[in-house]
Amino acid sequence: DAGVIQSPRHEVTEMGQEVTLRCKPISGHDYLFWYRQTMMRGLELLIYFNNNVPIDDSGMPEDRFSAKMPNASFSTLKIQPSEPRDSAVYFCASNKVAGRAMNTQYFGPGTRLTVL
Amino acid sequence: GENVEQHPSTLSVQEGDSAVIKCTYSDSASNYFPWYKQELGKRPQLIIDIRSNVGEKKDQRIAVTLNKTAKHFSLHITETQPEDSAVYFCAASTSNTGKLIFGQGTTLQVKP
Repeated sequence: DAGVIQSPRHEVTEMGQEVTLRCKPISGHDYLFWYRQTMMRGLELLIYFNNNVPIDDSGMPEDRFSAKMPNASFSTLKIQPSEPRDSAVYFCASNKVAGRAMNTQYFGPGTRLTVL
Repeated sequence: GENVEQHPSTLSVQEGDSAVIKCTYSDSASNYFPWYKQELGKRPQLIIDIRSNVGEKKDQRIAVTLNKTAKHFSLHITETQPEDSAVYFCAASTSNTGKLIFGQGTTLQVKP
């Protein structure tokens, strides 16, 4: 398996523009997570899905952020409009819970977002 | 709510020395405890994990211990090498939620 795939790897945009980040989880994984990482706030969980259904979006900072998972192999995180304080590395991760046992959560390479 | 506290935030050791990072968790139902290593500019990667039915686990130079009564777990790295320099994150999870609660991270510097 290629692992968790994210695109783009780098994104530079201007304040006010819409930004869409993309993620393909590992095949067969039933959980998908979106994280944001900054020096100031560390690694923050934004939202996660189970079987394509959003379970907990309490980490989404504002209404400007939205996430979707239309099928088991694709998810998007959208920021509209973007602001300079959204600059961060955004990671997607996935894992499988088999029965009552949680398995390794794998991270994608991340998208480094810079909002000017 | 669920919380994981990690200490220290920074740790500097001489090459060859041991390093210990400690975490405490709040949810007594937590039963899975992974440790991730994140090198500069890279993604977090799992280095070792432990489940609540085990008290200790070793993998070469790294080991993790778990004290369920005290609700804390620790990462031990022996014979440290410069390539061990990175940020280390602990995490805790209850399997029925599928999500990990991460600690704040420890920046480990191994001086040659």
